[in-house]
Amino acid sequence: DVQVLESGGGLRQPGGSLRLSCAASGFTFSMYAMSWVRQRPGKGLEWVSTVTGSGSTTYYADTVKGRFTISRDNPSQTVYLQINSLRAEDTAVYFCARTHDWRYFDYWGQGTQVTVSS
Amino acid sequence: EIVMTQSPVTLSASPGERVTLSCRASQSIGSNLAWYQQKRGQAPRLLIYRSSTRATGIPARFSGSGSGTEFTLTISSLQSEDFAVYYCQQSNNWPPLTFGGGTKVEMK
Repeated sequence: DVQVLESGGGLRQPGGSLRLSCAASGFTFSMYAMSWVRQRPGKGLEWVSTVTGSGSTTYYADTVKGRFTISRDNPSQTVYLQINSLRAEDTAVYFCARTHDWRYFDYWGQGTQVTVSS
Repeated sequence: EIVMTQSPVTLSASPGERVTLSCRASQSIGSNLAWYQQKRGQAPRLLIYRSSTRATGIPARFSGSGSGTEFTLTISSLQSEDFAVYYCQQSNNWPPLTFGGGTKVEMK
């Protein structure tokens, strides 16, 4: 079975940093792009970033470009999201999702909560 | 950036009813549209991709249609487990991948 499990969330102060991890299993990891999608409290879904199967190409939403870095380690089947210069508006549940055909999020983790507050 | 607009924001319906949710794109996206279901406190679940293809394990009562800028998700006979929020998402022209604001299907 395909499984995706996020970790690394927590409470941080504005300006701080955090690294989220996403452990995947049950599929040929290097064959799939992986993405992060976030959901602010009481709001809808917002795409954050995608990394190709090889890790060679990354994409970011304008709202996080320059502050967030997505990466992956294929041998350990893990995706990371490094978040720097945290802002209050980064407070959200962050979901990791397998990205099918570069277009659709077909398997999701349960999410990890990031709270930015002083 | 392609803006996705969903309507209605809230839909009140009873079990057994047929319901139709709408999603409109600000420009043509071909058939590059997906629908997701999200229940409270849970991760989203992919229901439909490429406008009309059901994802693995999705019941036949869910169907999608449309192309260009107008899309619909239909639930032929609403079940109790279908009360949730539904999101559409385009993937024709990205980045960014964009979602609609969601339609909440609630019990009448």
